[in-house]
Order: sequence, then C-alpha cells, then structure tokens
Amino acid sequence: EIVLTQSPAITAASLGQKVTITCSASSSVSYMHWYQQKSGTSPKPWIYEISKLASGVPARFSGSGSGTSYSLTISSMEAEDAAIYYCQQWNYPLTFGGGTKLEIK
Amino acid sequence: EVKLEESGGGLVQPGGSMKLSCVASGFTFSSYWMSWVRQSPEKGLEWVAEIRLKSDNYATHYAESVKGKFTISRDDSKSRLYLQMNSLRAEDTGIYYCTRSTMITTYYAMDYWGQGTSVTVSS
Repeated sequence: EIVLTQSPAITAASLGQKVTITCSASSSVSYMHWYQQKSGTSPKPWIYEISKLASGVPARFSGSGSGTSYSLTISSMEAEDAAIYYCQQWNYPLTFGGGTKLEIK
Repeated sequence: EVKLEESGGGLVQPGGSMKLSCVASGFTFSSYWMSWVRQSPEKGLEWVAEIRLKSDNYATHYAESVKGKFTISRDDSKSRLYLQMNSLRAEDTGIYYCTRSTMITTYYAMDYWGQGTSVTVSS
C-alpha cells in the first residue's frame, strides 16, 4: 500500500500570501490528484493528474511534482480557499493523504 | 446535472449488517466505474471498494480492511450502486460516499461525490 503523507497538517495564511502544501508518497507514483473539502460537505475534485485544474477551480491554484513528492500551491490566498486539501493516488489499494487544513491568519 | 444520492445509513449493532444504496442521475451510469469511500475522524478518507463495467465482468476491488466483509454491486438498469456490509465493527463507523470515477487523460479520478450517508456501529 502506498502511504501518502501530507505536510503541514495544519497551516494558516494571510490573504494574498502564497501557500504550498506537500504530499509525500511512500513509493513512486506517476501522478497525484487533489481534493478540497469544506466543513459539512463532501470532497470535491480540485487538481487532477498533478497539474490539471478541475472545472471551476481558480487559476491561482497550481499543482506540480513527480515520483514521491507532489505539491499544491496557491499563488495568492483568498478567503474562499480555507478548507482541507487531500492528495490521492490510484495504485490499488487507492489511498488518500491525511489532509492539510488551511486556515486564514 | 450529475447527481449521486446515498441512502441506507444509520445505527447498527456490532456484528450486524447494513446495505447502502446510491442512486445516480444525470449521466449514463453503466459507462462509469463507481466506488465507495468512507470518512471518519480517526482514519480520514479511506477508499472502500470499486466496481467496474459490465464489459469488465463487473470486476471489483476492495480495501484490505473490508475484504470478505463488504460486497459492492451495481444495477445498471436502475442506475444504482450498492454496498452490502456484514460483520460490522466500531471501526466501520463513518460517512460513506458514493463516487464516480472518470478517466481524465491517462489516469482515473473520482470526479463526482455524493453527499454521503452516515453509518454508526455501536451497541
């Protein structure tokens, strides 16, 4: 099983600040997906296959990485970006990272 | 509009059984792989099971933690996905989401999620 470790677990950013969340895989994977979840709602696809933004995702979001290290970056934090972000890989068994809670400072 | 609506959750005693259902609308259900994903404060998001298409002989995959206890199935004529859960334990407690899987360009991803149904295993 590929274990995904996200860091930080919790972080806070000021509006306009650049934010980077990382996801480390226990074995090399070819891609990574990211999901956003807000309180009381189901996860939403956010970034597909390392860097493809899902429908409706603002261009201030980007994804990058390869092998065992992937990241999600917000170029300029906005209030609506406060949420929990999860990475996910598709080698069986499918696994998710533990999540990164992003708050507003 | 794509919609996934789960039902069937509730309170069940340890060792009991429960069957979850998910009705899909807004897309050709029979053309998509489908999965169940659960979420709990203790374990976070945890993929549970996946079922593929009729052309794949409805091939299934399971998380090790539920193999032999849970059975995923689908009824394409009713656009319904099911999860039969047996021998339930406290650690099976959580919100269970029905998800649709789509080939993005090279890899699959879960592009639609239901609102979830809550399962509580407790005496």
